[in-house]
Amino acid sequence: DTAVSQTPKYLVTQMGNDKSIKCEQNLGHDTMYWYKQDSKKFLKIMFSYNNKELIINETVPNRFSPKSPDKAHLNLHINSLELGDSAVYFCASSQDPPETQYFGPGTRLLVL
Amino acid sequence: GENVEQHPSTLSVQEGDSAVIKCTYSDSASNYFPWYKQELGKRPQLIIDIRSNVGEKKDQRIAVTLNKTAKHFSLHITETQPEDSAVYFCAASRGGGNKLTFGTGTQLKVEL
Repeated sequence: DTAVSQTPKYLVTQMGNDKSIKCEQNLGHDTMYWYKQDSKKFLKIMFSYNNKELIINETVPNRFSPKSPDKAHLNLHINSLELGDSAVYFCASSQDPPETQYFGPGTRLLVL
Repeated sequence: GENVEQHPSTLSVQEGDSAVIKCTYSDSASNYFPWYKQELGKRPQLIIDIRSNVGEKKDQRIAVTLNKTAKHFSLHITETQPEDSAVYFCAASRGGGNKLTFGTGTQLKVEL
């Protein structure tokens, strides 16, 4: 069984478009995260939700908007995509933040 | 905020040798230090973690040491094998809902 899943796995789109990435975890965890990993492999947290409530909001452009409809799901919507948004976006979850985080397979976003 | 520095950025060893990766952190209140392994094209996965009340922890061929006074911690891999080749990330956190701050990663290559 997949613990943390993300869709889509790959996303190729044009500058200026709006896109969404979805994440689901079946581990029963209370906390979910979005990370961005750039081409140099730097792994940086963007957002964290605990029981549907936003608890970490790093310095991220407001074109990025997370949404947590329930504690098993955390989605990321990106408006007006830019070239610099090209990266791998990882979703993760943990029971007690920030302990043992389980990562999803990643969504490879390429903005042309 | 927390700043985590990681060295070296690349490390090449012969199969069977030991590998050591070092990290330093800036926030003296940090008390949770996990290490993640990321194989090419895959998700980061936790391999070992240590808390500030422990100086050393071992799990088969991997061990982590923590020096709170000097604010540094290290990952030691003994008897390296080709499947150990990956990017390794250290991270630090204050715990209790605070975020994980990741180091910049070390690309480990184990050569036959």
